[in-house]
Amino acid sequence: DSGVTQTPKHLITATGQRVTLRCSPRSGDLSVYWYQQSLDQGLQFLIQYYNGEERAKGNILERFSAQQFPDLHSELNLSSLELGDSALYFCASSPAVVINYGYTFGSGTRLTVV
Amino acid sequence: AQTVTQSQPEMSVQEAETVTLSCTYDTSESDYYLFWYKQPPSRQMILVIRQEAYKQQNATENRFSVNFQKAAKSFSLKISDSQLGDAAMYFCALGGHQFYFGTGTSLTVIP
Repeated sequence: DSGVTQTPKHLITATGQRVTLRCSPRSGDLSVYWYQQSLDQGLQFLIQYYNGEERAKGNILERFSAQQFPDLHSELNLSSLELGDSALYFCASSPAVVINYGYTFGSGTRLTVV
Repeated sequence: AQTVTQSQPEMSVQEAETVTLSCTYDTSESDYYLFWYKQPPSRQMILVIRQEAYKQQNATENRFSVNFQKAAKSFSLKISDSQLGDAAMYFCALGGHQFYFGTGTSLTVIP
């Protein structure tokens, strides 16, 4: 157990639907990051939050949004889902803004859009 | 711009042999950190080894070691005495104020 908790582990939904992925960072970590990994692809950075505020944005679609709550958990909302959104979505956390000790990754949420 | 390049999409090694995975990077930051992550078939991302750029000494973690060449911006991973459990996708990553991943090298271990 890495200390980063992601729920649900698996999600199957239909095109056009909306889903919410949840992440609880490791205890003491203030930064949360979201990544998308499609089949046999690398990791695409989506967005970063630090202590409740958005810090960096990557290749995140307008249909996607995220937030980090006062208790530091984060949610990634995916709407108007398309088949191409099927992927493994990782959450990672780190203690601070400067990433000197690396990320701690959750086990991911596998999203399948049918 | 920060970039991380892994030029070997696939590698293979015989069990008990040694293999080296290559990684080059580019960054404008003076203070940065380099990492290798392992992603086995379970898809969990696992930190293998970490190197602080200001340290000249190469990091080692048991059978895993790095060859860090700062001037050449090279950060290769050496796996000694390869085991079947080492079979995985390996990602090189550059960290500082943001994190950048390479595209990965898929390592096969042949019994």
